[in-house]
Amino acid sequence: RKEVEQDPGPFNVPEGATVAFNCTYSNSASQSFFWYRQDCRKEPKLLMSVYSSGNEDGRFTAQLNRASQYISLLIRDSKLSDSATYLCVVNINNNDMRFGAGTRLTVKP
Amino acid sequence: DTGVSQDPRHKITKRGQNVTFRCDPISEHNRLYWYRQTLGQGPEFLTYFQNEAQLEKSRLLSDRFSAERPKGSFSTLEIQRTEQGDSAMYLCASSLARRPSTDTQYFGPGTRLTVL
Repeated sequence: RKEVEQDPGPFNVPEGATVAFNCTYSNSASQSFFWYRQDCRKEPKLLMSVYSSGNEDGRFTAQLNRASQYISLLIRDSKLSDSATYLCVVNINNNDMRFGAGTRLTVKP
Repeated sequence: DTGVSQDPRHKITKRGQNVTFRCDPISEHNRLYWYRQTLGQGPEFLTYFQNEAQLEKSRLLSDRFSAERPKGSFSTLEIQRTEQGDSAMYLCASSLARRPSTDTQYFGPGTRLTVL
């Protein structure tokens, strides 16, 4: 089993749609969690951290379920500019960030 | 602009040659990380430094890979006797690790290596 697993997609959605990405991780000792966004041929950029209580940043909502070792990202009212690959990231032990392979999203007009 | 810079941005080399990449982190960041990313995969952790100390290197892909951060500022990643399988994007990231649970890493633009 991979340490961080994501549905690779691609997800093709129309503008304005709501889309959800899921991620599971295998190491129960994982300490912190993030979603990064990566545009084609660019570096990953932090989208948001994920907290146990769930957190929201504008159209983006992230949730963490430690019992199920599951992380989610919800994007509401999708924009064309949201098209990218979304990477689920798990910090194992303060120095070891494990990335999922990413979920590719294409938002179409 | 994240502030992390990497040089060169692209490197084409022949199999068997040595290559060295440089990373300049965000100036106040004490942690520096190296990753490798191949097509269709997420970044794969290689090694990291806290100041000048290399605290994790067991994940380096082979003994052909080495990294240094001699003064706790910029870092270099060297690959000796390159192989075609080394072709990838090499990413550097830095962070200011005040608290482990909030160690947010900022990535540089990467060095794309092609081994012929």
